[in-house]
Amino acid sequence: AQKVTQAQTEISVVEKEDVTLDCVYETRDTTYYLFWYKQPPSGELVFLIRRNSFDEQNEISGRYSWNFQKSTSSFNFTITASQVVDSAVYFCALSVYTDKLIFGTGTRLQVFP
Amino acid sequence: DTGVSQNPRHKITKRGQNVTFRCDPISEHNRLYWYRQTLGQGPEFLTYFQNEAQLEKSRLLSDRFSAERPKGSFSTLEIQRTEQGDSAMYLCASSFSKAGPYTGELFFGEGSRLTVL
Repeated sequence: AQKVTQAQTEISVVEKEDVTLDCVYETRDTTYYLFWYKQPPSGELVFLIRRNSFDEQNEISGRYSWNFQKSTSSFNFTITASQVVDSAVYFCALSVYTDKLIFGTGTRLQVFP
Repeated sequence: DTGVSQNPRHKITKRGQNVTFRCDPISEHNRLYWYRQTLGQGPEFLTYFQNEAQLEKSRLLSDRFSAERPKGSFSTLEIQRTEQGDSAMYLCASSFSKAGPYTGELFFGEGSRLTVL
């Protein structure tokens, strides 16, 4: 069975702090894809990144970075120098080469000025 | 705006009534997905279409739920004899894929929130 666990329900930080959102996944498949989506208060899920199981390179995009470690089945997301606009619910998701995404329960991030 | 559009955005109904939600995907997208999201949870897959064909249905989609995409463009999700447990946000997403599983970015709408009294 496949599963995504986001143990952090809610995180609060003050602006300019760095914050890491944890994601642990479970699958027996060797081919899979991992995603992060952002859900602002408007409700629309916004794609942030996709990683396939054969590419463990970390990625940086502006203030965002992702750390993929197969050894620990983790795909963590770090926001550097957080801003109020980063406040949202962030979801980690898994796809085992199907059209179906399996989402975690999400982490609500609140960034205070 | 050419994003995914969902209507209505909010629906309040009494238990036992039928409701229908509509999703208009991005025009060139051939795949369309429905997800359900309850409070404090992540979205759960319900079903998806490639063009007009419904290719997969989750076990979450009971007999009271039916989804259609008659002409391969917009889709409707109907819930018959609604129950309080159906209260949730119903999310639609779309993508384009010629063949095989799609594992790329999904484009989501803002969702249709259902409240069953």
